[in-house]
Amino acid sequence: DAGVIQSPRHEVTEMGQEVTLRCKPISGHDYLFWYRQTMMRGLELLIYFNNNVPIDDSGMPEDRFSAKMPNASFSTLKIQPSEPRDSAVYFCASSTGKQTQYFGPGTRLLVL
Amino acid sequence: AQSVTQLGSHVSVSEGALVLLRCNYSSSVPPYLFWYVQYPNQGLQLLLKYTSAATLVKGINGFEAEFKKSETSFHLTKPSAHMSDAAEYFCAVTPGAGSYQLTFGKGTKLSVIP
Repeated sequence: DAGVIQSPRHEVTEMGQEVTLRCKPISGHDYLFWYRQTMMRGLELLIYFNNNVPIDDSGMPEDRFSAKMPNASFSTLKIQPSEPRDSAVYFCASSTGKQTQYFGPGTRLLVL
Repeated sequence: AQSVTQLGSHVSVSEGALVLLRCNYSSSVPPYLFWYVQYPNQGLQLLLKYTSAATLVKGINGFEAEFKKSETSFHLTKPSAHMSDAAEYFCAVTPGAGSYQLTFGKGTKLSVIP
């Protein structure tokens, strides 16, 4: 079975550009989570969805960040405009009900 | 609110030696506790989880952890380290069955010396 799929795996962009990260959760999972990992702050939950509806976005750092889940098999995390401090590894995870979260391989973002 | 403290950002052990990675938590309600492993350039993989059943939890790859409420600890152990165990390990807590919000520790990087 395919796990959580994220694209791109690596992204290098310049400050001010729009960045879109993509995630395909495991089929049948009804929860989707976006995390950010940095050396300074560790792993932080940004937002999570249940049945495509955002439930808690209190971890989204600021208005430059937005996330959508138009259907059960696709989610995006967008940063516009991007800044160097947004450089991090962004993980998507999915789960069914209150069960284990399964993580994707991550997108390594570098904003110059 | 809950929090997780992992003692030691970097632990080195010899191949064949005991692995002990420490995790202490704080939670205002009975917690669920997790250990995840992250290999280089990969996502997190669940090793084991405690969900208020048996206090000694066995996971994959020979790892186990014991929930000790009196010590608010959930240390991860493995009797004999293997070179393939070299990775970063994360302890995480969620406040019981009603929450999906995992709070992670800062991680412990395990090195295994041949």
